[in-house]
Amino acid sequence: GAVVSQHPSRVICKSGTSVKIECRSLDFQATTMFWYRQFPKQSLMLMATSNEGSKATYEQGVEKDKFLINHASLTLSTLTVTSAHPEDSSFYICSASGSGGEQETQYFGPGTRLLVL
Amino acid sequence: AQSVTQLGSHVSVSEGALVLLRCNYSSSVPPYLFWYVQYPNQGLQLLLKYTSAATLVKGINGFEAEFKKSETSFHLTKPSAHMSDAAEYFCAVKAGGGNKLTFGTGTQLKVEL
Repeated sequence: GAVVSQHPSRVICKSGTSVKIECRSLDFQATTMFWYRQFPKQSLMLMATSNEGSKATYEQGVEKDKFLINHASLTLSTLTVTSAHPEDSSFYICSASGSGGEQETQYFGPGTRLLVL
Repeated sequence: AQSVTQLGSHVSVSEGALVLLRCNYSSSVPPYLFWYVQYPNQGLQLLLKYTSAATLVKGINGFEAEFKKSETSFHLTKPSAHMSDAAEYFCAVKAGGGNKLTFGTGTQLKVEL
């Protein structure tokens, strides 16, 4: 099956610093990658959609200058939380979808727990 | 616009009992429907999906779901619950030409001895 990894799984940082989260599709080429944020006991909130080689499309209310997304290759997308603050603490999950018959299915990474002190 | 409603944020069943998690969708075009499971502090794992083929879809871990257009439903069932089924379950819909998923609010399944 399609496997998506995320790194790191957990990160603690000081307020004001930047944090980069990597999302990789291990056994397929991800035409599109998605970044979600999940608050405790809540559903997933889509932050942005990125296609390889093009700029990410951000959802309404998501600051694109704060959450920088790069999708430089068909197997890697990164989310950088710039100048992180305590309110950015959350569980960030990426997903990836391929092409052809699998483009309708999103495969999710294991998530990254971010704690900003 | 598309939306998903999951009735019951918490469902509790006894081990060995039938599991029924409800999902109703709203979509102006034929949808693709998904069920995902999330264990604590983990990402989402795809259980099964409906993509306009057979209306009864079988997934992993003994789960299945039936697409009922007349009822706009895609309920998830499992004949006999196991302790390891305790988790959060999300129903999601994808409709039209876009590739965004719209998630329901989730149902926490508890399995008791």
